[in-house]
Amino acid sequence: AQSVSQHNHHVILSEAASLELGCNYSYGGTVNLFWYVQYPGQHLQLLLKYFSGDPLVKGIKGFEAEFIKSKFSFNLRKPSVQWSDTAEYFCAVGSSNTGKLIFGQGTTLQVKP
Amino acid sequence: DAGVIQSPRHEVTEMGQEVTLRCKPISGHDYLFWYRQTMMRGLELLIYFNNNVPIDDSGMPEDRFSAKMPNASFSTLKIQPSEPRDSAVYFCASSFTDRGTYEQYFGPGTRLTVT
Repeated sequence: AQSVSQHNHHVILSEAASLELGCNYSYGGTVNLFWYVQYPGQHLQLLLKYFSGDPLVKGIKGFEAEFIKSKFSFNLRKPSVQWSDTAEYFCAVGSSNTGKLIFGQGTTLQVKP
Repeated sequence: DAGVIQSPRHEVTEMGQEVTLRCKPISGHDYLFWYRQTMMRGLELLIYFNNNVPIDDSGMPEDRFSAKMPNASFSTLKIQPSEPRDSAVYFCASSFTDRGTYEQYFGPGTRLTVT
């Protein structure tokens, strides 16, 4: 069965610290990979996506993610976080078989000013 | 495009009452998804449609929940009768299967409180 695992449930960082959120998935076929962000009280918004080509994907607000096929990973990174990055982050994998996304359980990021 | 539209944005109701949540997907999208989000359970997929046809309703918690999509531009999620444990934020999302990508666009959600 397809699954997505996010390693960290709650991360606390100070402003300007570097961020890396882990995401591993299990799926045997061709995958589309996504990171979504949910700011407090808001809906999920797309941060970045990968479906082919360069495995290093750049998204909005300085975020990037690297797809490593051999490790079934799609980790999210940002070199220097800001207080405004405080949010919940969801990794998701889409399969061509079902048309739906499988979401990880989410990681809550708290950035201290 | 206006994005995915959901109504109402907030709903407060008493236990036992019927609740109907509404969703208008992005025009041209062929998939529609209903999710529920709570602190305890996180984000759960309840049901999804492809070209107005329900594909998988295995996430619907029980028979009190039902969903319909009478046409490509409208869907409803109904809870009858409602219970306090149904209190959650309900999100609708839509996607378009262009080139095999499945990026979903989420609506603003309906915050449901059942007292």
